[in-house]
This record gives sequence, C-alpha cells and structure tokens, in this order.
Amino acid sequence: GAGVSQSPRYKVAKRGQDVALRCDPISGHVSLFWYQQALGQGPEFLTYFQNEAQLDKSGLPSDRFFAERPEGSVSTLKIQRTQQEDSAVYLCASSSGTSTHEQYFGPGTRLTVT
Amino acid sequence: QKEVEQNSGPLSVPEGAIASLNCTYSDRGSQSFFWYRQYSGKSPELIMFIYSNGDKEDGRFTAQLNKASQYVSLLIRDSQPSDSATYLCAVPGDGSNTGKLIFGQGTTLQVKP
Repeated sequence: GAGVSQSPRYKVAKRGQDVALRCDPISGHVSLFWYQQALGQGPEFLTYFQNEAQLDKSGLPSDRFFAERPEGSVSTLKIQRTQQEDSAVYLCASSSGTSTHEQYFGPGTRLTVT
Repeated sequence: QKEVEQNSGPLSVPEGAIASLNCTYSDRGSQSFFWYRQYSGKSPELIMFIYSNGDKEDGRFTAQLNKASQYVSLLIRDSQPSDSATYLCAVPGDGSNTGKLIFGQGTTLQVKP
C-alpha cells in the first residue's frame, strides 16, 4: 500500500523566500507529525496534528514556521522568510492511533537555503 | 527537557559479529523505547520497541532495557553489510501520549564484509 509521501523532495530557496512543504500521510492515519533533521543529528519534533487539530506546536523554532492540516489528511509546513539555519531535512510521519508511537515516516524534503 | 544520548560512532564490526548499540535517557519516567534504522539518504524506519525491563527479541534483533540504569540497547546478531545504517533511539516526548518522540543523534553502524 501507499506510504507517507512528501513533496517536493528537494527545495532550494534564497534567503528571505517563503517555502511550502507538503505531506500526504497514510490514508486513515489520525496522527501526523513534522520533524526537522539536521545533518548528523536525530529528528527533532516540530508539531503534531490529531486529525485537523494542531495539538502541539511546541517544537516550531520561530513564528516563521506555520503548519496546517485543514481537512485532517494532507498537511503543509510553511516557512516564511527562510534563513540559512532553516536548511535541513523536513520529515513527516503518520500513525494510526492517537497515542501510538509507531510512526511511519515519509522520504523527507531536503531544504537548502542559500 | 528530556534527553536521549547515543554515541555517534561509527561503530565498525565484521560481518557475522554481534553489534551492540547503546542509548541512555534522562527521564526516569519514560515507559517505552523505540529503535529506528535510517539508511543514508532515507527516512527512519521502526525496527523495535520495548516497554518492559529485560530483553525483547525479534529475529536477529534484541532490545534490552534497564530502567534502573536508564539505558536501552540494541543487539544485532550475525551482522550483515545490509545492516550498515544509522540507528536512532527514541523515547516519548511527553506524558500525554500524543506520540511525539525525542530522538538521540543516532549511532552509525558499519558492517564490513
């Protein structure tokens, strides 16, 4: 069956540009997570959705980061006025339950800010 | 802030040997522990989870949990070159069970033929 998909797979942005990263979770998965992974590091939690509700956004590094999941399926992570320190791989994960830690990750979007 | 610590490695073992990967965590209240495997350029993939003290075996993989010492380890028996990857240890990030995970930085394993 289809797994988690993300687009674009690679994105190069000039400093100051806005970017939008898309995640399509596994069909029917209630929970959706965004993580940021810097080179040589483990993923760091950004935000969590249960259906369309954003229940935890404690990991978003600044108010330039915004995420939404308006219909409880596809999610978009938007970064405004990108900075070089935003360069990383952005991973989306989904899980079937509301308290399960068995998360399925998408391939990620590698963002490079020049 | 919960912390998960791993030695970044690389850990190099010959093919057929046992690879031992270790992880320590700061929060004594952590109840569950997860091991993800991440091949270079790919996304993390869940391979094992453990909730209880002791050992849990799944094929060539064994997870070991010692809550008193706050460490969890992953043993890979009969290591194969295809096991070469980064292994990430993770614990739940909060008590409300949203599923949020806190990851260590990962240990890179190299299995040499």
